[in-house]
Amino acid sequence: KNQVEQSPQSLIILEGKNCTLQCNYTVSPFSNLRWYKQDTGRGPVSLTIMTFSENTKSNGRYTATLDADTKQSSLHITASQLSDSASYICVVAVQTGANNLFFGTGTRLTVIP
Amino acid sequence: NAGVMQNPRHLVRRRGQEARLRCSPMKGHSHVYWYRQLPEEGLKFMVYLQKENIIDESGMPKERFSAEFPKEGPSILRIQQVVRGDSAAYFCASSPFGRGSTDTQYFGPGTRLTVL
Repeated sequence: KNQVEQSPQSLIILEGKNCTLQCNYTVSPFSNLRWYKQDTGRGPVSLTIMTFSENTKSNGRYTATLDADTKQSSLHITASQLSDSASYICVVAVQTGANNLFFGTGTRLTVIP
Repeated sequence: NAGVMQNPRHLVRRRGQEARLRCSPMKGHSHVYWYRQLPEEGLKFMVYLQKENIIDESGMPKERFSAEFPKEGPSILRIQQVVRGDSAAYFCASSPFGRGSTDTQYFGPGTRLTVL
């Protein structure tokens, strides 16, 4: 069964600290993995997309890693800011099939001053 | 270049009424996707359309729900005879090249449907 699981469900950190969000998936055959940021009441915004051959990809203070062997990904946020407070969603795409995007339920990050 | 636009942003309907949700994709994008997000849950795929064609509707309930993406105008997600369980946020996304690529899907702000 194709599934995407994220942990933790929620996280509270102090402004300026770093944090790492986890994503485990059982989706197959794997095509790519995406991280999205969703602010409350808004649509998701893409942060990174990684294919099978990519181990890491950065977008500013966001760095995503991918281990296709263990089917794990992480999103590392450096020097957090209040504006980082949002839900972070891991999305895995399969190569074929009718429905090719599988969404995790997200990690709710709250950055406090 | 305006992003994906959805309207209305909020929609309130009584049970049994029809809900009509609109999505205008980004300029140059001919692929549209609709997702539903229930509270505290992840987004769930509903339907994937190209201009005038439904490509994949495997995530859409067989009854009461329909979608279209006409040659001119926005994509429409229509829910007939709404029930309380239809209350959710409905997101539309668009992309230029469609599935099967690493194409980013750009999401709209969503329509929050509340059924009384």
